[in-house]
Amino acid sequence: GENVEQHPSTLSVQEGDSAVIKCTYSDSASNYFPWYKQELGKRPQLIIDIRSNVGEKKDQRIAVTLNKTAKHFSLHITETQPEDSAVYFCAARISGGGADGLTFGKGTHLIIQP
Amino acid sequence: EADIYQTPRYLVIGTGKKITLECSQTMGHDKMYWYQQDPGMELHLIHYSYGVNSTEKGDLSSESTVSRIRTEHFPLTLESARPSHTSQYLCASTDHMNTEAFFGQGTRLTVV
Repeated sequence: GENVEQHPSTLSVQEGDSAVIKCTYSDSASNYFPWYKQELGKRPQLIIDIRSNVGEKKDQRIAVTLNKTAKHFSLHITETQPEDSAVYFCAARISGGGADGLTFGKGTHLIIQP
Repeated sequence: EADIYQTPRYLVIGTGKKITLECSQTMGHDKMYWYQQDPGMELHLIHYSYGVNSTEKGDLSSESTVSRIRTEHFPLTLESARPSHTSQYLCASTDHMNTEAFFGQGTRLTVV
């Protein structure tokens, strides 16, 4: 099955700086790559996703890039703010077809230092 | 408002008790999932369902069982709770295209 590796496990950045979280996946058939943000005590929520027919996607301060050849994708957060502090999970799956769930990375604790 | 609901939010129970964690969604989704997560840690898939009368085991072995008698309802049962079952349990659902997963608020279970 799919295996997703995520790095780093903890990332501390100064407020206003950029943060980058990287993930690799193993199954070349995966074609959907979402990123979830989980604040302390809350449920994971989708913040951005990308499909395999696209190399980059942006939404305000958040961007995701995908390199299908190398089987890795990254989350970029610019101009970080205190409310960006959370655990971020990358995931991969094959969209359509069966119902087997998303395979998640182990998560990155992002800490924004004031 | 369409959402996915879990009850209870918190549960403290003694060893050996039988418990059922409830999950209901009003999103009209066919596919539902249970994940187990220790606080701030990775999400492990323990059960999933394609639709009514369909249940499958996930990647992480679990002593829990699930049922899917109605589309909107996907309860998880532990016949005999043990301290090793202490964790957070998150229910989720996706549409037929298997894209965005919507999560419930979770049930934080403590077995003493």
